[in-house]
Amino acid sequence: DAGITQSPRHKVTETGTPVTLRCHQTENHRYMYWYRQDPGHGLRLIHYSYGVKDTDKGEVSDGYSVSRSKTEDFLLTLESATSSQTSVYFCAIKGVGASYEQYFGPGTRLTVT
Amino acid sequence: GENVEQHPSTLSVQEGDSAVIKCTYSDSASNYFPWYKQELGKRPQLIIDIRSNVGEKKDQRIAVTLNKTAKHFSLHITETQPEDSAVYFCAASNNNNDMRFGAGTRLTVKP
Repeated sequence: DAGITQSPRHKVTETGTPVTLRCHQTENHRYMYWYRQDPGHGLRLIHYSYGVKDTDKGEVSDGYSVSRSKTEDFLLTLESATSSQTSVYFCAIKGVGASYEQYFGPGTRLTVT
Repeated sequence: GENVEQHPSTLSVQEGDSAVIKCTYSDSASNYFPWYKQELGKRPQLIIDIRSNVGEKKDQRIAVTLNKTAKHFSLHITETQPEDSAVYFCAASNNNNDMRFGAGTRLTVKP
C-alpha cells in the first residue's frame, strides 16, 4: 500500500462548512497528489505537491486548497463545501527516483448534504 | 490539456476468453501510459504501464500496446478469470504531474 493512509475514511458534512482531508505517507516521497473520483469521469487531479510548501494546481482545483508543512502530510481543504464536491477523494504518491508510477491511498468518501 | 477517451465503458466476457480495452489520447507529447485496476470499494492499483519509447509490454496474462502515430494504446487480458472482474482505467501523462485518466471500463468475467 506504499505506506499511504487517509483520514477520515468517510465524512458527511453540510453545505457551507469547511472540511479538511489528510493524506499521510511514511516513506519520504517527494511528490504527493490529490484526485477526486466521480462516475463517468475517472480520476481528476485537484492539486499536487512537489515538496514541503511547494504545491500546484491540477485540472479541477476550483474550490479546493492544499497545504504541505511537512514531507509526510498533504492536506486538502474545502473552504466551504458544496454538493458538487460530494465525491471519493484519493491521495497518491509518486515512486522514487525516475519512477513515473503513482500509488494511491485507500480513499475518503465525502458526502456534502 | 490532454484528453483521454476509453472504450468500451462496459465489457462482459466468458472465463478463459480475452478482453481488450482501448484508449486514445490527444497530446502527442504524452510519454507515459499506465493502466489501473480498481475493485469495488478499493483503491486503484497499477497493473502495467508503458513509456513512449516502447511499443509493447507484457506481464503474464496482461499486455499493453502503444501506437504513437495513431495516439492510442490498449490493454489486453488473456485467459480471463473471475478475479479479473473490476473497473480498469487508462491514463496518459506528459510531465509526470498532470496525469489524465479515461472514464473507466467495467469488465465482468462470467464463470
